[in-house]
Amino acid sequence: EAQVTQNPRYLITVTGKKLTVTCSQNMNHEYMSWYRQDPGLGLRQIYYSMNVEVTDKGDVPEGYKVSRKEKRNFPLILESPSPNQTSLYFCASRGGTGRSPLHFGNGTRLTVT
Amino acid sequence: GQQVMQIPQYQHVQEGEDFTTYCNSSTTLSNIQWYKQRPGGHPVFLIQLVKSGEVKKQKRLTFQFGEAKKNSSLHITATQTTDVGTYFCAGGYSGSARQLTFGSGTQLTVLP
Repeated sequence: EAQVTQNPRYLITVTGKKLTVTCSQNMNHEYMSWYRQDPGLGLRQIYYSMNVEVTDKGDVPEGYKVSRKEKRNFPLILESPSPNQTSLYFCASRGGTGRSPLHFGNGTRLTVT
Repeated sequence: GQQVMQIPQYQHVQEGEDFTTYCNSSTTLSNIQWYKQRPGGHPVFLIQLVKSGEVKKQKRLTFQFGEAKKNSSLHITATQTTDVGTYFCAGGYSGSARQLTFGSGTQLTVLP
């Protein structure tokens, strides 16, 4: 089944403790992206990747890192999480052109205390 | 930067009433996509509009793209409880590597 898999679904952590949210897709998509969703703000792009070893900042990249060593994986790294990074995070991928639809993972709800 | 404004933020309707959400961009879009997110779920692609003045229908849902390709709307006729969720538009801009900028979404509640 074609899908984007994120883990974990829920995560509670403390300020400053490094964490990684994994994202994997099995559709051989070149483009992958991370979004955060906050009430009233919609989906804001954190980072995106056009292909392996090619990543770029989105609208809200501060406090986040990503890597794209393999086509299928696109982990999101929070080196020193802070409470303002408490949010719902989605990974997405798409194939083909920029007009192809995005396929989203199930989301990761992160709480930073 | 590129922004897509979406209104309203919330909408409560009685089952059977119609619903419309609107998206507007200050600059011309190359395309616009619509997504639906059910409560507790993830956004799921509904449709894409590309041509100026384009109108597409999916059963009770009607999607429109403005003549100037700066605005779009989603209209649901005779809402049902299964329509509950948040509807997002996402605008694409020519020459933008990110391809899509999402609106803030409209959360639809349908009262039985």
